[in-house]
Amino acid sequence: ELKVEQNPLFLSMQEGKNYTIYCNYSTTSDRLYWYRQDPGKSLESLFVLLSNGAVKQEGRLMASLDTKARLSTLHITAAVHDLSATYFCAVAPNTGNQFYFGTGTSLTVIP
Amino acid sequence: DAEITQSPRHKITETGRQVTLACHQTWNHNNMFWYRQDLGHGLRLIHYSYGVQDTNKGEVSDGYSVSRSNTEDLPLTLESAASSQTSVYFCASSESSFDEQYFGPGTRLTVT
Repeated sequence: ELKVEQNPLFLSMQEGKNYTIYCNYSTTSDRLYWYRQDPGKSLESLFVLLSNGAVKQEGRLMASLDTKARLSTLHITAAVHDLSATYFCAVAPNTGNQFYFGTGTSLTVIP
Repeated sequence: DAEITQSPRHKITETGRQVTLACHQTWNHNNMFWYRQDLGHGLRLIHYSYGVQDTNKGEVSDGYSVSRSNTEDLPLTLESAASSQTSVYFCASSESSFDEQYFGPGTRLTVT
């Protein structure tokens, strides 16, 4: 059974602080995706990581992929309140096109 | 602008009734997916399609069916709704295997 584990599940942090969300997965994969979901809303694509060592950055968020360790990280730099949301990672195994989602990390940034 | 829409946005139905949730995309994507989202489970794949007349079961397909008669639409049918199918349902599409999936706004289904 393919597993995608995110931690932490809940994260409360102060504005201006840095933190990292981790996404571990149990299958061989070179494709990892990060999404953001605001309460009551749909999922918005943040990053697409398609190779070992891939690093993408957008504003205060940076995502990386280590396929050998089966690990992706989403690093938050100098958090602001607008980053409060739930973040999901999704893995597509090399043997198929389906996405397998983690359970999500609920981030709250406190002013 | 291209988009993906779902209808209805909210639905309340009774146990045992057949329910169909619509998904329509104007991206002209071949790949379409249905997920359900429940607290503590993230998103779980119900069914997916790689093109017209192609359908495949996902990890939680029991009690659901889909059909793909054209590129734009992938309706999801609950054959006999059960309370365990109360959930938020998302439809998604993608252009290729490597692309991100684009999600619709979701349908909140309550089975009483």
